[in-house]
Amino acid sequence: DTEVTQTPKHLVMGMTNKKSLKCEQHMGHRAMYWYKQKAKKPPELMFVYSYEKLSINESVPSRFSPECPNSSLLNLHLHALQPEDSALYLCASSSGLVRTDTQYFGPGTRLTVL
Amino acid sequence: GQNIDQPTEMTATEGAIVQINCTYQTSGFNGLFWYQQHAGEAPTFLSYNVLDGLEEKGRFSSFLSRSKGYSYLLLKELQMKDSASYLCAVTLAGSYQLTFGKGTKLSVIP
Repeated sequence: DTEVTQTPKHLVMGMTNKKSLKCEQHMGHRAMYWYKQKAKKPPELMFVYSYEKLSINESVPSRFSPECPNSSLLNLHLHALQPEDSALYLCASSSGLVRTDTQYFGPGTRLTVL
Repeated sequence: GQNIDQPTEMTATEGAIVQINCTYQTSGFNGLFWYQQHAGEAPTFLSYNVLDGLEEKGRFSSFLSRSKGYSYLLLKELQMKDSASYLCAVTLAGSYQLTFGKGTKLSVIP
């Protein structure tokens, strides 16, 4: 089973709202990732968690705040977003045993910021 | 820096064979992934090449030449459902980072 789940599937929010995206995997993976993907562009890495610790932050604005409560869960807290933040947000996981292991992606959350 | 190049779009006929090329220029190259992504959906893992040569998985094969900085994805017996974007992505030694090319949009026509 290589399933990564994400909720919600779609999210519409105003610029003053606070919302969270959730990601879950039960493959025993210890590395989890957030990517942002704009239309007709490839995914861009935002954050990497390894063994529940933030390993990489790709200079992402502070209005995006990641959290890894345990080895199966990854959240992305959103606050004071801008319309240009509208995109597909993808979560991925990999074993974490080797950094270059295959990453498996969730179905994504389609975010629209009004 | 890294540079990954693949054609923007390709069209092929149902039942045919198509080859999608990917060239890369990176330092510290470790391996190359191919992912399939249907519109509005998540990327799905297809193949991973670390060593030179051909990896075959059913209708899909992937080839890597490390010395030439070149890979291709070969799709045989094309089906309409193969219409999707195909992303090549490289990893660097010791890094979690997966750097994607811009993707090739494949359209399969009857």
